[in-house]
Amino acid sequence: EIVMTQSPGTLSVSPGERATLSCRASQSVSSKLAWYQQKPGQAPRLLISGASTRAIGIPARFSGSGSETEFTLTISSLQSEDFAVYYCQQYDNWPRTFGQGTKVEIK
Amino acid sequence: EVQLLESGGGLVQPGGSLRLSCAASGFTFSNSAMTWVRQAPGKGLESVSSISGDGYAALYADSVRGRFTTSRDNSKNTLSLQMDSLRADDTAVYYCTKAAPFYLEYWGHGTLVTVSS
Repeated sequence: EIVMTQSPGTLSVSPGERATLSCRASQSVSSKLAWYQQKPGQAPRLLISGASTRAIGIPARFSGSGSETEFTLTISSLQSEDFAVYYCQQYDNWPRTFGQGTKVEIK
Repeated sequence: EVQLLESGGGLVQPGGSLRLSCAASGFTFSNSAMTWVRQAPGKGLESVSSISGDGYAALYADSVRGRFTTSRDNSKNTLSLQMDSLRADDTAVYYCTKAAPFYLEYWGHGTLVTVSS
């Protein structure tokens, strides 16, 4: 099973600042990496697939990069609605494993 | 508009069974792989089971293999998860998701399963 490790566990950021979230895979997943956003009491929502392709309706301030084992989600200028938990997921192998999540909170 | 509506969650005793359903609309159901994902209270996400569009191929997490069975009725646009021999650590919100074909493009709102005596 591929283990996905996200860092940091919690990120404290002021509105308008940049947030950088990291995700590391225990083995190469090529570019088969997705990012999801989950707000309290809601289902997760797809943000990014293929490591860098934004899903329909996702603002341009969200960007993804990386390949193989190292990936990054960047939120260029945090808005109030962006404070949430973010998960990465590899879909190269079954089981399609998730990272443990990064909580982005208001500083 | 894609809609996924789960039902069937509830309280069940350890060792019991429960059947979850997911009613899908807004896309060609038979062309889409579907995946069940669960989230224990206050915890992260776990892929439980995935099934191909034609229903002939299904995958399971090690934690549920032999106890859970996923199936679909493409004539009714419905996905099901039969859960047997339930344990306390199966307690979670279960999400029905549309796979595209492997990342999870759309999510239902989830249904809570509580396994407790």
